[in-house]
Amino acid sequence: DAMVIQNPRYQVTQFGKPVTLSCSQTLNHNVMYWYQQKSSQAPKLLFHYYDKDFNNEADTPDNFQSRRPNTSFCFLDIRSPGLGDAAMYLCATSGSGFRGSGYTFGSGTRLTVV
Amino acid sequence: SQQGEEDPQALSIQEGENATMNCSYKTSINNLQWYRQNSGRGLVHLILIRSNEREKHSGRLRVTLDTSKKSSSLLITASRAADTASYFCATDARTNAGKSTFGDGTTLTVKP
Repeated sequence: DAMVIQNPRYQVTQFGKPVTLSCSQTLNHNVMYWYQQKSSQAPKLLFHYYDKDFNNEADTPDNFQSRRPNTSFCFLDIRSPGLGDAAMYLCATSGSGFRGSGYTFGSGTRLTVV
Repeated sequence: SQQGEEDPQALSIQEGENATMNCSYKTSINNLQWYRQNSGRGLVHLILIRSNEREKHSGRLRVTLDTSKKSSSLLITASRAADTASYFCATDARTNAGKSTFGDGTTLTVKP
């Protein structure tokens, strides 16, 4: 089945140690998104790629970076994780520039910072 | 600022009852979506309703949209224990197309 896969499901990292979360999709969607979701809160958009075009949200900290080497893969890099970065990170995709199909989400990566 | 806000924050009902959740938003939209999130998991897309639509159905789900009031509702009929989850609305604003903004969600508990 076509899907969005996030690895790993759970990630524990040390304070200040760079960490990379990955997302892959078999849907051939041209748009990929990264959301951060803290406990009992709304998912918050960090950035998205429209094809190869990177779109950063104005309030996304510089500590968060992203890479999309090809259509199928997208990575979230946290250069120096702080305790406040502990959250669920959700990858999502949409096709055709989001023209009425909704997002397809992965299962998320739960990041713990120790 | 957040576009969608859900009401109520939490809802607890008995199996078989109907559950209604509401979402209000602030600006003009292209469409509004509803998602379900089981604990510790990703979000699952339920229904998308476009700004020129007033009502959509999918199985036991019924979504309405009132653009004059900038509000939407999600009705789950004949609820089941498996419907226990958080439900989020998300809006694709006309001024920010392609980047949906999520509300804080309604946590639904369906008791067997």
